[in-house]
Amino acid sequence: DTAVSQTPKYLVTQMGNDKSIKCEQNLGHDTMYWYKQDSKKFLKIMFSYNNKELIINETVPNRFSPKSPDKAHLNLHINSLELGDSAVYFCASSQRNGTFYEQYFGPGTRLTVT
Amino acid sequence: GNSVTQMEGPVTLSEEAFLTINCTYTATGYPSLFWYVQYPGEGLQLLLKATKADDKGSNKGFEATYRKETTSFHLEKGSVQVSDSAVYFCALLTGTASKLTFGTGTRLQVTL
Repeated sequence: DTAVSQTPKYLVTQMGNDKSIKCEQNLGHDTMYWYKQDSKKFLKIMFSYNNKELIINETVPNRFSPKSPDKAHLNLHINSLELGDSAVYFCASSQRNGTFYEQYFGPGTRLTVT
Repeated sequence: GNSVTQMEGPVTLSEEAFLTINCTYTATGYPSLFWYVQYPGEGLQLLLKATKADDKGSNKGFEATYRKETTSFHLEKGSVQVSDSAVYFCALLTGTASKLTFGTGTRLQVTL
């Protein structure tokens, strides 16, 4: 049973296209996240949703739009893809429990923009 | 703001050698500290954690102690194996936010 799953695992597309990445968690968590890992392995948070409400929105271009249809899903839609969007995108989830928010990560989606 | 500084890699060791990967942090409040591991081609896995000063996190032979006085959370293992080859990330999380702040990662390569 996969706790946090992402689809697709690999995504190759051309500049200017619009694409979506999907994330689902079956842990019953109430908070989900998107992180971006660049070619140097640096990880940075992009967005976070708690109970379908956006709670973290880092400095990310407007071309990126997260959508949370329910607590178990957090999708990432990217418009007008650019070369610099090439990266590995990780979804994560956690359950708020006091002040400790252990996060569980998905396997990642490797996006390549040509 | 919060930040995490890790030693630059790659770190190359022979099997059974002692491992130390340094991690220091800057944070407001009292953060929880984590080590995550990323094996080749995979996502991140939580390796160990510590939620308050002097706590020691441990898992799979790895250990790290939360040192508030030196703002450090160094990762250690007494005897590394080839299967430990991976990228290791130090991270922190404060009680007022739900986002992890990661270090830049340290690649460990263990050879026979």
